Amino acid sequence: EDQVTQSPEALRLQEGESSSLNCSYTVSGLRGLFWYRQDPGKGPEFLFTLYSAGEEKEKERLKATLTKKESFLHITAPKPEDSATYLCAVQPKKTGGATNKLIFGTGTLLAVQP
Amino acid sequence: EADIYQTPRYLVIGTGKKITLECSQTMGHDKMYWYQQDPGMELHLIHYSYGVNSTEKGDLSSESTVSRIRTEHFPLTLESARPSHTSQYLCASSDLAGPQYFGPGTRLLVL
Repeated sequence: EDQVTQSPEALRLQEGESSSLNCSYTVSGLRGLFWYRQDPGKGPEFLFTLYSAGEEKEKERLKATLTKKESFLHITAPKPEDSATYLCAVQPKKTGGATNKLIFGTGTLLAVQP
Repeated sequence: EADIYQTPRYLVIGTGKKITLECSQTMGHDKMYWYQQDPGMELHLIHYSYGVNSTEKGDLSSESTVSRIRTEHFPLTLESARPSHTSQYLCASSDLAGPQYFGPGTRLLVL
C-alpha cells in the first residue's frame, strides 16, 4: 500500500538554527514527490517537485532532496516567517492512463522562535 | 493573474441545509480536485475531474457530489449537511503531469 510518513510531527527551532524535515515513502513506482507549505487556515502552497533519486531543488532558505526511500527538506538559518506546516506528497506511477492523484503525509509543524 | 478561488471562505450552517462550495480557477488547467482536511490530519481526496463532464470519486468516501460543466468551475454540493461534514474543504487544479495548486479553502461548520 502506498504510504507517506513525515517526521518529526512538530519541530521548534531558534531563529538561525538549521534543521531538516523527513518524508519517508512507500510507493509502487514514484512519478513525483511534492513539498508544500501550509499556513493556518489556508490552502497548501506548492514549493518543490522532485522526480528522481539524487535530485535537489532550492528556494531561498529551503532545499529539498530525494532518495529512493525518502526526501528531506533542509531549512538553513530559518526565520520566524518560515513557521508553518510542511506537507510532503507522493504521486504514484500508474500504468494505463494518466493520473495526478497525490498521497499526502500528515505534515511537520515548524515553529521558529525569534 | 492565474489563480484558484474558493467561496465562501467560512460557512456556518444548520443540519439538513443544502450547501454548494464554489471553486474556480484561471490557471487553464484541465484537472481539478476536492480534498477534505481535518485539523492535524492529512488531506484526503474526495472527488476529482480530468475535464468537462468527467468526475470521479476519490479515495475517501463522501456524501457530497460534484459537477464539471465548465473547465474553470468545479462546485461541490452537499444535499443535506450534517455535523459529521464539519471540516475544511480544499480545491486544487493541475495540468497534465504538474503539481497541484490549491485554493484558500472553505471552513465548514455544521451545527
